[in-house]
Amino acid sequence: DGGITQSPKYLFRKEGQNVTLSCEQNLNHDAMYWYRQDPGQGLRLIYYSQIVNDFQKGDIAEGYSVSREKKESFPLTVTSAQKNPTAFYLCASKWGQGTEAFFGQGTRLTVV
Amino acid sequence: AQKVTQAQTEISVVEKEDVTLDCVYETRDTTYYLFWYKQPPSGELVFLIRRNSFDEQNEISGRYSWNFQKSTSSFNFTITASQVVDSAVYFCALSVASPTSGTYKYIFGTGTRLKVLA
Repeated sequence: DGGITQSPKYLFRKEGQNVTLSCEQNLNHDAMYWYRQDPGQGLRLIYYSQIVNDFQKGDIAEGYSVSREKKESFPLTVTSAQKNPTAFYLCASKWGQGTEAFFGQGTRLTVV
Repeated sequence: AQKVTQAQTEISVVEKEDVTLDCVYETRDTTYYLFWYKQPPSGELVFLIRRNSFDEQNEISGRYSWNFQKSTSSFNFTITASQVVDSAVYFCALSVASPTSGTYKYIFGTGTRLKVLA
């Protein structure tokens, strides 16, 4: 089955730690995206990548980093610089301009 | 600037009632795309429909219908004869090209939580 897989589903982070959220897709999509969702808010764009080895900051990139070494994978690292990381994180991919995005099931990150 | 407004934060209806979810968008671009997504409690966003700015034709898919009106910058979503399984958060989104990179990005509304009561 083609789709996007995010892992883990739940993640707990201690203060000062970096954590990495995984996103893998087998849809052969070029573009991949990371969004953050907070209660009562829409999705906000963190980073996106149109092709391998290239990515751009979204609206709320501070405290996050990404890499795109393979077409299928777009991991997101939440660094200790992100002061309020508790949120629901969604990864998405799509194949062309103006097309619909396909979303993973999300990772819920909690700082403990 | 681009913006999507979903003024209805939460709507509750009784099963079999019809319900309309409102979406108003803002953009100066002449080429853009509009989307509706459903987010069930599991969290994954499920694609429902896409419309481009040159196609104002309304669409019906089973119990779902969409009314796109450029004159009022609205893209409303109606569920006919609602069911409990329709309970979810629904997002409207606008996709326009970035003026600097040309890349299309999504701008999401804040979502409308629909509760369908049995």
